[in-house]
Amino acid sequence: AQKITQTQPGMFVQEKEAVTLDCTYDTSDPSYGLFWYKQPSSGEMIFLIYQGSYDQQNATEGRYSLNFQKARKSANLVISASQLGDSAMYFCAMRGYTGGFKTIFGAGTRLFVKA
Amino acid sequence: EAGVTQFPSHSVIEKGQTVTLRCDPISGHDNLYWYRRVMGKEIKFLLHFVKESKQDESGMPNNRFLAERTGGTYSTLKVQPAELEDSGVYFCASSQGWQGYGYTFGSGTRLTVV
Repeated sequence: AQKITQTQPGMFVQEKEAVTLDCTYDTSDPSYGLFWYKQPSSGEMIFLIYQGSYDQQNATEGRYSLNFQKARKSANLVISASQLGDSAMYFCAMRGYTGGFKTIFGAGTRLFVKA
Repeated sequence: EAGVTQFPSHSVIEKGQTVTLRCDPISGHDNLYWYRRVMGKEIKFLLHFVKESKQDESGMPNNRFLAERTGGTYSTLKVQPAELEDSGVYFCASSQGWQGYGYTFGSGTRLTVV
């Protein structure tokens, strides 16, 4: 069975500092994709970043980077230079063959950026 | 391009009534997904359309839920009759493919059954 675990229900970070949101996963698929989504207070889900299981390099998208450690089955999201607008819920997600290509989500981490 | 559109944004209905949620995906996106988040819990998969066909409906909780996708365009999710435990936020998402594609989500429909 596939599973995503986010152990941090809430996190605080000072504006302009970097923050790491943890995500571990479990799958027996040889090939899978890992995703992070942001849900601000307005409610929409925003796709942030993708990492393929065979990608050799960690994915980066602007201030977002994904610290992918395949052997440890972790896919932590790093946000550099936090901004007040980064305050939101963040969901780690995974998609693989075993799951029939449906994406499964973790419980989410609520990030609070302090001024 | 226009994003994924869902309506209504909010719906409050009484137990036993029927509610229909609608999702308009991004034009050209063959894949359409429905997800649900019950208060404080994880986002759960409901079903996946490829064009007008149900690719995977393993997440549909019971036969009170019926999803359709007419002509491979917009999709509806009907709950009939609604129960209290159906309350939550229903998200629709669409994508062009699966490899490397994140979903584009709609803003969700917040359903409250009283």
